Amino acid sequence: QVQLQESGPRLVKPSGTLSLTCDVSGGSISSNNWWSWVRQPPGKGLEWIGEIHHSGTTNYNPSLKSRVTLSVDKSKNQFSLKLRSVTAADTAIYYCATYSVTYPGSESWGQGTLVTVSS
Amino acid sequence: QSVLTQPPSASGTPGQRVTISCSGGSSSIDYNYINWYQQIPGTAPKLLIYRSNQRPSGVPDRFSGSKSGTSASLAISGLRSDDEGHYYCATWDDSLSGRVFGGGTKLTVL
Repeated sequence: QVQLQESGPRLVKPSGTLSLTCDVSGGSISSNNWWSWVRQPPGKGLEWIGEIHHSGTTNYNPSLKSRVTLSVDKSKNQFSLKLRSVTAADTAIYYCATYSVTYPGSESWGQGTLVTVSS
Repeated sequence: QSVLTQPPSASGTPGQRVTISCSGGSSSIDYNYINWYQQIPGTAPKLLIYRSNQRPSGVPDRFSGSKSGTSASLAISGLRSDDEGHYYCATWDDSLSGRVFGGGTKLTVL
C-alpha cells in the first residue's frame, strides 16, 4: 500500500502562494495512478482540487483552475500543489491522495495538513 | 453547493440498518461510478465503496453500495458506535471534467 505524507508551510499570507508537497513511499510516482489533492475547510465538506498523472496529464476543479498548478517530480518520487493568490477562504486541511487506474479500489490518502491563510 | 446532494444527517441505534442517499445529475452519477468515503473526526477520508458497489479489501460486508439512474445509496447494516462520522459520495462529473464530492452526511449512532 502506498503511503503519502504532505509537507509545506502551515501559514501563508493573503495574496501569497500556498505550496505543498506530497512524498510518496511504498510505490512509484511513475505507476499508473492519479495523484490528487483534496481540501477540507474547518468544519466543512471535501473539495476536490485536481489530479495529475505521471505522463503530465492534469485535471483541475474549474472553480480553482486559474490559480492551481500541479506537478510531479519523478526524481524525488513526489508531487506538488501550488495555489496562487490565496485568501482566508483557502484556509483548509489539504490532503494528498492517490488512486490506481489499473486496480480500482486501490486508494491511499495522506494524513492531511492544516494550512491557514492569515497575515 | 455540491453537484451531488446528500442528506446532512442520519441516525440509527446499534444493530440497525441505515441508508444514506446521494443524488446527482445526468452528467455525474448517471454514467459514472460512485465512491463512498467514511471520515472519522480528525482523520483522513477512507474509501468504503468503489465502482458503486465494490468493497476494497478490509472493508466489512456490513457496508454496501448501490446505484440506479441518477441516485446512489450507501447501506450500513449491524450499526456500531464506531460507525459514527461523516460519509461522502463522490463521482466524476462529465460537464465539469472533474471529480465532485457530495456535501456529506453526519451519521450518529444513538
